[in-house]
Amino acid sequence: KQEVTQIPAALSVPEGENLVLNCSFTDSAIYNLQWFRQDPGKGLTSLLLIQSSQREQTSGRLNASLDKSSGRSTLYIAASQPGDSATYLCAVLTSGTYKYIFGTGTRLKVLA
Amino acid sequence: DARVTQTPRDKVTEMGQEVTMRCQPILGHNTVFWYRQTMMQGLELLAYFRNRAPLDDSGMPKDRFSAEMPDATLATLKIQPSEPRDSAVYFCASGLETGNYGYTFGSGTRLTVV
Repeated sequence: KQEVTQIPAALSVPEGENLVLNCSFTDSAIYNLQWFRQDPGKGLTSLLLIQSSQREQTSGRLNASLDKSSGRSTLYIAASQPGDSATYLCAVLTSGTYKYIFGTGTRLKVLA
Repeated sequence: DARVTQTPRDKVTEMGQEVTMRCQPILGHNTVFWYRQTMMQGLELLAYFRNRAPLDDSGMPKDRFSAEMPDATLATLKIQPSEPRDSAVYFCASGLETGNYGYTFGSGTRLTVV
């Protein structure tokens, strides 16, 4: 059974810092992995999708990497801004299934 | 931008009442999911459909919850009777069969049962 863990659970950083959010999963036979952002009281916004054959994806100041063999993905945020404050969730689609299993999220606060 | 539409946005109801939540998936998507989010449990999968057929509803309390897709443009999640422990945010998501392009989530229905 796939289990997804995110560390840290919460993070508070000053504006301008580069930061890394971690996601680990127990079953490396995955189809893809998706990073989402969730603002308080809002839905999930897709940030990046990495297929199992890829090692990284980039969008603006965001870069997500995937190491399937070690069961890990990281989301790198460059030059963080207060507007980046949100909860970040990773979700894993295990091969042979069609359902995403979510981590518990990292609650990020960027201080001005 | 194509989006998944959920209604209502917020629902407050009394215990014992029936609640129906609706979802309009993105046109052309043939896989639909219902997730529930609570502070304690995070995001839990309740049910998912492919080509309108339920593939897995093992995450759903069967005695009170039911999920259907009367047509390709509408998915419903019904709770009858509702209980305070059902209070949560319910998300619908849709995607293509293989999940190649990930899944798109709606804005959710915030349910409060008093």
